[in-house]
Amino acid sequence: KAGVTQTPRYLIKTRGQQVTLSCSPISGHRSVSWYQQTPGQGLQFLFEYFSETQRNKGNFPGRFSGRQFSNSRSEMNVSTLELGDSALYLCASSLAGDIQYFGAGTRLSVL
Amino acid sequence: GNSVTQMEGPVTLSEEAFLTINCTYTATGYPSLFWYVQYPGEGLQLLLKATKADDKGSNKGFEATYRKETTSFHLEKGSVQVSDSAVYFCALSDTGNQFYFGTGTSLTVIP
Repeated sequence: KAGVTQTPRYLIKTRGQQVTLSCSPISGHRSVSWYQQTPGQGLQFLFEYFSETQRNKGNFPGRFSGRQFSNSRSEMNVSTLELGDSALYLCASSLAGDIQYFGAGTRLSVL
Repeated sequence: GNSVTQMEGPVTLSEEAFLTINCTYTATGYPSLFWYVQYPGEGLQLLLKATKADDKGSNKGFEATYRKETTSFHLEKGSVQVSDSAVYFCALSDTGNQFYFGTGTSLTVIP
């Protein structure tokens, strides 16, 4: 069974641009969560989608948004990028809301 | 609210030394508790979990016991190997299926 796939693995953007990251969950998993990982802050929860609905949301500004499609694939979008948005963005999928399975992440660098 | 606090790193140990990484939590209700491990360049992988008080999770020689009276879930291993070098995250999952992670503890094992 394929694991969680995140694309792209690496991104370089400049301030003010926007970016879209993609996550394909494990087949059959309907819950997808997104996290921002930085050296100083650890993992910070962005949001969780279940069956195309945002079920939980972390404490991030409205520049961070997401969506989930009917096949459970999810995207997150960051608009008006800031230097502080440079981070590893991790996606995790879950079958029953218990164990989360993580992708390898997308490393975003904002210049 | 829910939160996880784990010991600051980095931790450096010699091969075959005993490992303890402390983790305490704050939660309403009865959360599930987890340890995840992150190897360089990869996403997080589940190491072990416990779902109720006094449960002991174990995997690959690592153990952690869910202590409700001390709100703790300390990770232990009797004899670490170089291959255990990684970042370890303590986490909890509440009844709303949202995960809360600690900031991570970096472990380096030297031969």
